[in-house]
Amino acid sequence: SAVISQKPSRDICQRGTSLTIQCQVDSQVTMMFWYRQQPGQSLTLIATANQGSEATYESGFVIDKFPISRPNLTFSTLTVSNMSPEDSSIYLCSVEDRSETVFGYTFGSGTRLTVV
Amino acid sequence: QKEVEQNSGPLSVPEGAIASLNCTYSDRVSQSFFWYRQYSGKSPELIMSIYSNGDKEDGRFTAQLNKASQYVSLLIRDSQPSDSATYLCAVTLNDYKLSFGAGTTVTVRA
Repeated sequence: SAVISQKPSRDICQRGTSLTIQCQVDSQVTMMFWYRQQPGQSLTLIATANQGSEATYESGFVIDKFPISRPNLTFSTLTVSNMSPEDSSIYLCSVEDRSETVFGYTFGSGTRLTVV
Repeated sequence: QKEVEQNSGPLSVPEGAIASLNCTYSDRVSQSFFWYRQYSGKSPELIMSIYSNGDKEDGRFTAQLNKASQYVSLLIRDSQPSDSATYLCAVTLNDYKLSFGAGTTVTVRA
């Protein structure tokens, strides 16, 4: 299955600043997904990132707040901009993972963000 | 109505017992269904996927799907303390986007 390297694993940031999270996949993938998991909550899809096109954002998420880059088929970044304490969450990237025997979605190890 | 709903839990079972987790979904055209396990502080880990009506078994795990009832379940047989985690039901929407349930926290008592 795909292996995703996500960094940073955690960070503590001042309000009003921005943080960029990186995900590197060990294979080429068409789509990468970015999720947010707020404390004690389940996962919410932020956006879908395709190489060579603008990311597609879910309701409640906007590009100005969560700009995404997808420069090639193995890499993507998510920036959390102008952060407030409400942005304190775990952010995860994910890719579709297909083989002859398995179909699923693999997740990066997550970035635990605390905004103070 | 939420797209994916799970029995809220938490669920506590004795070691060796069967843990039963349930999930319903609202989108009739959903095609793929997944169960993820998430340990505290870790990212979700895929444990089962199912696409066709019926049962699918993998070791101590059995997933059951009933598309007519829009229902998917997970049974964990011979539960072990290492099974203590939050279990997330996920359903694909529009072929590729995953929608997650709120999760059910399972505690296996030794």
